[in-house]
Formats: sequence, structure tokens, C-alpha cells
Amino acid sequence: DAGVIQSPRHEVTEMGQEVTLRCKPISGHNSLFWYRQTMMRGLELLIYFNNNVPIDDSGMPEDRFSAKMPNASFSTLKIQPSEPRDSAVYFCASSSLFYEQYFGPGTRLTVT
Amino acid sequence: TQLLEQSPQFLSIQEGENLTVYCNSSSVFSSLQWYRQEPGEGPVLLVTVVTGGEVKKLKRLTFQFGDARKDSSLHITAAQPGDTGLYLCAGARDDKIIFGKGTRLHILP
Repeated sequence: DAGVIQSPRHEVTEMGQEVTLRCKPISGHNSLFWYRQTMMRGLELLIYFNNNVPIDDSGMPEDRFSAKMPNASFSTLKIQPSEPRDSAVYFCASSSLFYEQYFGPGTRLTVT
Repeated sequence: TQLLEQSPQFLSIQEGENLTVYCNSSSVFSSLQWYRQEPGEGPVLLVTVVTGGEVKKLKRLTFQFGDARKDSSLHITAAQPGDTGLYLCAGARDDKIIFGKGTRLHILP
């Protein structure tokens, strides 16, 4: 199994630009999670999907963030417009048992 | 707000020593997970504990869930440099998962 795949691994962009992060979950997993990790705040859950349906998006910081899961094998997290405070490592995780999550390698986002 | 407090935040010890790190909350969780994260990678699931008082062993790592299911500990025997990393606990409750901020462990050779 290839595990959770995320792209890009690194993204550097200027403030105001749109950023799209991509995730391919493990085949057969029915839940998908997006997290953000910073030194100050640790690992924060942004949103999670169950069977492609958003269940809890209470962690999404503001309207600049949006996430979609058009099918069971693909999800995106979009930031528009990006701001320097969005700089962080963004992780995607998938699971078949809700609480046992398998994380991707992350996308390190730097907004200048 | 449900919080998971992990202690210590940082720990640096010599190879061969034993150590214990803690994960505490005032909330009851239906299950608790421990993950290890290495630099540049995502967290990797080590174990899930479900029953109060449960003890699980993974080679030199021993995990315990508190009787009241509010806290957990991770004990490492004879630490090795390969144990270096960020150890995260996560509690599951009411379809929500809360992560602690982690204990950053460094084992000196």
C-alpha cells in the first residue's frame, strides 16, 4: 500500500495568492482528515470527511479556507487568498476506524 | 474545551536510560492513541488503548490507559537513539479527536 499521498511536499507563495493542497487517501478508508501543525499551536484538526461528506469543519479558521472531497480517492484544501500566518505544515490523514489515523508526509506551506 | 496536556514538553536523556511521558486530561475519552512523529514526516500510529487500566506493550514501549480513561502514560525502557521524535497522544470522544502538543524526546548516543 502506498499510504496517504500528499502534493506538493513544499509550497512557497506570495501573500494574496491561491494555494491548493492535494491528498489521496489510502484505498478503502472511508474517513479523511485535514490538519495544520505549527510549533505554537501543535496539530489542529481543520475538517474531516466521512464517505466524502464533510462532517465537522469547525476547525477551519475562516472563509479563506475551503475543502472538497469529490470522490473517495481525492481531496483538496484551498486557501484563497493566502496570508503569512497560514504558513504551517498541512497534513492529510485517512482512516477506516475513525480514531486510528494514517497520516501523509505533509505539505510545508510558506507564505511570504 | 477538551484539552490534552502532555508532559514534559521536552526530554533529553542518555541512551540506555528509562523514561516516562504523560498525557493528562479532565475529560473522559472512549479511546486514546499514541503517535510518534519524526522530522519532515507525518505522525505514525503506535497504539490504541480503549479500556480503563489497559496496558499494552510494543517491544520496549509500555502504554497504560488510566482507570478513569482520562490519562495515559508511555514508558520506554533502555532508550535508543532511534526513539528520538515527537510523541503525540490523541483522545477520541463524541466523534471528535483532540491531540496533545506532544513531548519532544531526544536520546543522546
